[in-house]
Amino acid sequence: EPEVTQTPSHQVTQMGQEVILRCVPISNHLYFYWYRQILGQKVEFLVSFYNNEISEKSEIFDDQFSVERPDGSNFTLKIRSTKLEDSAMYFCASSAGLGYGYTFGSGTRLTVV
Amino acid sequence: AQSVAQPEDQVNVAEGNPLTVKCTYSVSGNPYLFWYVQYPNRGLQFLLKYITGDNLVKGSYGFEAEFNKSQTSFHLKKPSALVSDSALYFCAVRDRSSASKIIFGSGTRLSIRP
Repeated sequence: EPEVTQTPSHQVTQMGQEVILRCVPISNHLYFYWYRQILGQKVEFLVSFYNNEISEKSEIFDDQFSVERPDGSNFTLKIRSTKLEDSAMYFCASSAGLGYGYTFGSGTRLTVV
Repeated sequence: AQSVAQPEDQVNVAEGNPLTVKCTYSVSGNPYLFWYVQYPNRGLQFLLKYITGDNLVKGSYGFEAEFNKSQTSFHLKKPSALVSDSALYFCAVRDRSSASKIIFGSGTRLSIRP
């Protein structure tokens, strides 16, 4: 069964540093998403991406965040200057279309120290 | 704006008994509805979805959910719980009339005792 792959599984970074979280969505999917989950709590929407541009973003997704699909296969989330409160599990997801569910990756646990 | 509510933080059930995890939703149009499960230190796994058609939807691991439009609910059910069903369950909704994102509920921790 096709999978969404996320790397790394765990990232530790110092406050103020930049991090890039990487995702390889399912190859024939068209819609891509980032969500985050703090300490096993609610899963929060960050951003959706379609046709090489952001289609929607939440208020969490401020200027320190950016997304990119650099080469047609990878989908990345960059956090420019990490803060302690950015510590969370970050999930990438992809979807074949609007009537379909999402397939989630296994997540990247980001720890900011 | 769309929203979804899971009124119970935790549900405790004895193994072999039926289980229900409650979910209600609010959307401006007709909904797409989903259930996901999360095991400890794992990602989100798709269980089932309602798009259209039969109000009773069957999914993975023997779970099912019933779409009730008048009550705006989409409760998750299983006739006979297993200890291995213990996990965190998330209900999610999307308004099908727009290209909006899926919104998740706050999650319900299901604990099945032997």
